[in-house]
Amino acid sequence: GAGVSQSPSNKVTEKGKDVELRCDPISGHTALYWYRQSLGQGLEFLIYFQGNSAPDKSGLPSDRFSAERTGGSVSTLTIQRTQQEDSAVYLCASSSKQGIGTEAFFGQGTRLTVV
Amino acid sequence: AQSVTQLDSHVSVSEGTPVLLRCNYSSSYSPSLFWYVQHPNKGLQLLLKYTSAATLVKGINGFEAEFKKSETSFHLTKPSAHMSDAAEYFCVVRLSVRAGNMLTFGGGTRLMVKP
Repeated sequence: GAGVSQSPSNKVTEKGKDVELRCDPISGHTALYWYRQSLGQGLEFLIYFQGNSAPDKSGLPSDRFSAERTGGSVSTLTIQRTQQEDSAVYLCASSSKQGIGTEAFFGQGTRLTVV
Repeated sequence: AQSVTQLDSHVSVSEGTPVLLRCNYSSSYSPSLFWYVQHPNKGLQLLLKYTSAATLVKGINGFEAEFKKSETSFHLTKPSAHMSDAAEYFCVVRLSVRAGNMLTFGGGTRLMVKP
């Protein structure tokens, strides 16, 4: 596809259930980011993948959150035992190379609602 | 460490009047700086970026930003606001790859345009 694709676009889940959010970056992009945007808040960094390097997980809020990136392409963000405070829009972005002037391209996000 | 501060959480202007959205950053390294716009229920779109070339950067939709190292600022301006400019704007800083290649977002400024 032409852009970053995220699925599902909306997810409603019951408290305590596990959810998986998927991100398809732009083909050939080596860097992939996950962010969270809570209602009325800015963007909160979660995790960053760059090529084959170990991911930067410093933004993950708890051990209920994990992410993987298979084959350097598709990424899955998993939230276990969801809580109501996990409700937010989860945004994925990718960029083409390591140069600091390279902009990131964002997907439309997955709106997660925990009831 | 790096951080980005958007000095106003909300800005309201009348259509046809100038827009000023303020952004200050702190960084131990020479950063790249970006402005992104997010329209309601839409993804994040790049407006413009600074990457150590010209300090005055022109972006899409008539927006400009000037990098002032002495003031550690990267304010976004537009001479004449249009109704379609109403959106959330994010100032973003990115350090070098060696420093982590992180994208750090400001808290966002919601721009309202009155007819």
